[in-house]
Amino acid sequence: EDQVTQSPEALRLQEGESSSLNCSYTVSGLRGLFWYRQDPGKGPEFLFTLYSAGEEKEKERLKATITKKESFLHITAPKPEDSATYLCAVRVANAGGTSYGKLTFGQGTILTVHP
Amino acid sequence: DTEVTQTPKHLVMGMTNKKSLKCEQHMGHRAMYWYKQKAKKPPELMFVYSYEKLSINESVPSRFSPECPNSSLLNLHLHALQPEDSALYLCASSPGTTTGELFFGEGSRLTVL
Repeated sequence: EDQVTQSPEALRLQEGESSSLNCSYTVSGLRGLFWYRQDPGKGPEFLFTLYSAGEEKEKERLKATITKKESFLHITAPKPEDSATYLCAVRVANAGGTSYGKLTFGQGTILTVHP
Repeated sequence: DTEVTQTPKHLVMGMTNKKSLKCEQHMGHRAMYWYKQKAKKPPELMFVYSYEKLSINESVPSRFSPECPNSSLLNLHLHALQPEDSALYLCASSPGTTTGELFFGEGSRLTVL
């Protein structure tokens, strides 16, 4: 069974204190790993897509990396406005070897950045 | 700003009411989705439409009825819902179902009394 596990469940940082969020996955046939940010009561906001081990993507203070078993979202010098829930999701191949639209989400990491 | 627009933002309905949630995207995407999200939980897939045809139904109860009138519009018809159906309903779209990221709308907050 495909599994996506995020850690920690919650993370509190001081402004400027860099850290990383983890997304471990056990899937049969990865067809993309996605990072989203979600503010309370809002829809998830797309951040990054990673497709293969070694790939890296960056956007402002965020950098996403991936290995064959896990992905990391590195946050450099975070600001209070980075506070949100960060979701990791995977798209997997189906039995026929192709993929379809279902994303399997992890439980998320709630990030709080204090000024 | 999201390019997936959902209406209404908030909806309160009784268990005997019939209502609809609406979603619109103008990105030329050919896949559209309905997700349900309960508090402090990740989104759960309900339905997938590909090229205006229903391709995935994740064993959703028949009191939820999706409709895709054209490639830009997606509706979710609600009838005889239960209080436990109260949740944030998210619409999303992607270029296709096999590749590309999903873009989500802001969601419709549904409360069933």
